[in-house]
Amino acid sequence: DAGVIQSPRHEVTEMGQEVTLRCKPISGHDYLFWYRQTMMRGLELLIYFNNNVPIDDSGMPEDRFSAKMPNASFSTLKIQPSEPRDSAVYFCASSLSPAGSGYTFGSGTRLTVV
Amino acid sequence: AQTVTQSQPEMSVQEAETVTLSCTYDTSESDYYLFWYKQPPSRQMILVIRQEAYKQQNATENRFSVNFQKAAKSFSLKISDSQLGDAAMYFCAYRTAYSGAGSYQLTFGKGTKLSVIP
Repeated sequence: DAGVIQSPRHEVTEMGQEVTLRCKPISGHDYLFWYRQTMMRGLELLIYFNNNVPIDDSGMPEDRFSAKMPNASFSTLKIQPSEPRDSAVYFCASSLSPAGSGYTFGSGTRLTVV
Repeated sequence: AQTVTQSQPEMSVQEAETVTLSCTYDTSESDYYLFWYKQPPSRQMILVIRQEAYKQQNATENRFSVNFQKAAKSFSLKISDSQLGDAAMYFCAYRTAYSGAGSYQLTFGKGTKLSVIP
């Protein structure tokens, strides 16, 4: 398996623009997570899905953020409109159901909003 | 809510020596899982080792081992025979073993940056 695939690897956009981050989880994994990493706040859970259904989105910072998982092999995280404070590394990770399973992370998307 | 604390923002070790990274956590649960992740400059998060709270035996993975002290809520990572490739950020993480909403999320510490001196 190719692992968790995220795209793009880097994204630079202007304030106010829409940004879409993409993730393909490992086949067969039934949990998908979106995390944000910043120097100040570390790794923060934004939202997670189980069997394509959003379970907990309490970490989504504002209505500007939205996430979807239309099928088992694809998820998006959208920011509209983007702001400079959204600049961070965004990770997607997937996992199997047993709680003892660790996550498998993607390589992350470094987002810079100027 | 569970919290994970890594009290050492930075550490360094001489190549071939042994280093121990500290992690403490706070929980009222009795069954859970603990993890150490490595994040090298490439920023890929890599699972290093996991520990199940109900197991007394400390987990080991080659040069990596943990010292799990359940009563003290401590979960330290020991790296033996340190190599240059071990230089990275190391994150400790907690995950409950109970089902229910929020049960599958990982709670991370702030990380420890490990430097390896040649």
